Amino acid sequence: GNSVTQMEGPVTLSEEAFLTINCTYTATGYPSLFWYVQYPGEGLQLLLKATKADDKGSNKGFEATYRKETTSFHLEKGSVQVSDSAVYFCALSFTGGGNKLTFGTGTQLKVEL
Amino acid sequence: DVKVTQSSRYLVKRTGEKVFLECVQDMDHENMFWYRQDPGLGLRLIYFSYDVKMKEKGDIPEGYSVSREKKERFSLILESASTNQTSMYLCASSLPTGRSPLHFGNGTRLTVT
Repeated sequence: GNSVTQMEGPVTLSEEAFLTINCTYTATGYPSLFWYVQYPGEGLQLLLKATKADDKGSNKGFEATYRKETTSFHLEKGSVQVSDSAVYFCALSFTGGGNKLTFGTGTQLKVEL
Repeated sequence: DVKVTQSSRYLVKRTGEKVFLECVQDMDHENMFWYRQDPGLGLRLIYFSYDVKMKEKGDIPEGYSVSREKKERFSLILESASTNQTSMYLCASSLPTGRSPLHFGNGTRLTVT
C-alpha cells in the first residue's frame, strides 16, 4: 500500500536557522504530494503542494520539490521564525482517489529565540 | 474562507456510551472525511463520504460508523465507546476534483474513561 515516512521530531532550531524536514514516500504510480501544517490548538492547513515530478511547491518562504527518482518531498525554509513552530505533515493522494490523503506521522518543529 | 466546524472541542464519555461527533462545512463541498490523530501515528482515515448518503471505509473503520443526511453535515458515531478510542478526531472537507486541498476543522479531543 501507499505510505509516507517523515523524520522524527521534535526538531529544535534557533530563529533564522535553515530548516529541512525529510519526507519520502512509497506508492504505486505517481501521486500528488502535500505539506500540511498544524499550529497549536488548530486543525491542519495546506502549506504547499506539487502534482508532478520536478514540480516545486512554495508558500510563506517554505519550499519542497517533488523528486521522483528519490521518491522524496523534503520541506525547506531558509530562515525560520518563532511563529513557524508547529507540527508539519507530509501527505500524498492520487487523482481519482477522492482526495483521500495518506499522511506521515508528523514532525514537530520548535523555534527558539 | 472555508469553514469546517466541529461541534465540540473536548468531550469526555464513559465506556459503552454511544458518542456522536458532528461536523459542518459551509462551502458546499462534496467530499467529507473523518480522521483520527494519535501521537506517533499521524492521521489515519476512518471514513470518507463523496456525496449525501454515500460513504466509504477508510483505513481504520472498526468501531465507527458515519451518517451524511445533508451535504454540509458529516457525523461520526461510536456505537459503544471504548478506551482505545480516546483520541483527537479531525473532520475535513474538499471539492471532488483531484488534488483539491482538504480543509480541516479544529478537532475534537475525545476521552473515554
